[in-house]
Amino acid sequence: EAGVAQSPRYKIIEKRQSVAFWCNPISGHATLYWYQQILGQGPKLLIQFQNNGVVDDSQLPKDRFSAERLKGVDSTLKIQPAKLEDSAVYLCASSPTSGVYNEQFFGPGTRLTVL
Amino acid sequence: AQSVSQHNHHVILSEAASLELGCNYSYGGTVNLFWYVQYPGQHLQLLLKYFSGDPLVKGIKGFEAEFIKSKFSFNLRKPSVQWSDTAEYFCAAGAYGGATNKLIFGTGTLLAVQP
Repeated sequence: EAGVAQSPRYKIIEKRQSVAFWCNPISGHATLYWYQQILGQGPKLLIQFQNNGVVDDSQLPKDRFSAERLKGVDSTLKIQPAKLEDSAVYLCASSPTSGVYNEQFFGPGTRLTVL
Repeated sequence: AQSVSQHNHHVILSEAASLELGCNYSYGGTVNLFWYVQYPGQHLQLLLKYFSGDPLVKGIKGFEAEFIKSKFSFNLRKPSVQWSDTAEYFCAAGAYGGATNKLIFGTGTLLAVQP
């Protein structure tokens, strides 16, 4: 089966610009996650969707980050305006449901560099 | 708050050497534990997982991990490493609450295996 798709793979922007990332989960997966991985750290959850509803966005910096999953399939994560500290890899993951025994499958990530 | 600690940030081994990577977690309730691996240029993928039952779990590519509840540990082991095991390894704990199903990752261990 096809894996989690993300685009773009790399993005370089200047601070205060805006940027958007796209994720297409594995077909049929109801749960979608966005993680931020800063260099030297492990991934940190930004937001979790169950179908098109937000389950957990407690660690999403809502003053500049937004995410949507309008039709319960693919999702976009936006940063506006970007700061230097937003430089990171943004990972999208999906799982069949949000149940505790479900494995999360990760995409290749988008590497963002903010200059 | 839940947290995961990985004590080894960089490990260098020769082929055929034995591997043990440390992972400790802090969490007051039932915990599910995972090891993920990221090979160079590839996405995160699951090595093995522990939910319940036998504390010694076996994963792909000859890896195993032992859950020791009294030590809050879930160390990863492999008796004989190969050059192809060069990768970054992440320990993670599952945090569940309602519909939330997020992974708390450690900072990762970069393993380099010298031929």
